[in-house]
Amino acid sequence: GAVVSQHPSWVICKSGTSVKIECRSLDFQATTMFWYRQFPKQSLMLMATSNEGSKATYEQGVEKDKFLINHASLTLSTLTVTSAHPEDSSFYICSARIGTPGGQFFGPGTRLTVL
Amino acid sequence: SQELEQSPQSLIVQEGKNLTINCTSSKTLYGLYWYKQKYGEGLIFLMMLQKGGEEKSHEKITAKLDEKKQQSSLHITASQPSHAGIYLCGADNMFGGYQKVTFGTGTKLQVIP
Repeated sequence: GAVVSQHPSWVICKSGTSVKIECRSLDFQATTMFWYRQFPKQSLMLMATSNEGSKATYEQGVEKDKFLINHASLTLSTLTVTSAHPEDSSFYICSARIGTPGGQFFGPGTRLTVL
Repeated sequence: SQELEQSPQSLIVQEGKNLTINCTSSKTLYGLYWYKQKYGEGLIFLMMLQKGGEEKSHEKITAKLDEKKQQSSLHITASQPSHAGIYLCGADNMFGGYQKVTFGTGTKLQVIP
């Protein structure tokens, strides 16, 4: 149980285009979903927190207009990287939480490369 | 939010040797996760600790949370090449009305056959 999936697992795009990444909790309804970013050889940095039907809460320094988050249902959250640039290239990992205190489970990640 | 420091930052051990990774928090830990990650891959959940003094084991990996709930250790017994990877500790925070996990700096483990 407690499986989180992400799609796509990797994507290559041209600079200036937008990319959408999906995150799904497969066998549970998530009270909250999270998006993290990881640069090479670094730890995970929390980007934003979202609940179904409400606006995402972004961490300091994260551009909300650049990283659009839509939390359509209790099992689906999407992250859209708008007008992507090479510096947006990174490993993006989503996570979903069951209850409080519950547990937090992570997806397999999406590697984004912007050319 | 919570600051987590892991030590050492990297570790190279001979196969069969024991090792310990530490995770120290600037604040009391209400929940502490240990994950393993291969570079470029997702996180593998290892263990979650919530109570002071709690200890959990899975196969050759044991994690402990100290009584004061500000430090956790991960101990691997008789290490194997399959244990190689990046180990991350994550702290459960309540911030901005949400409970969420933020991560330590990570420890890179290499196991030499």
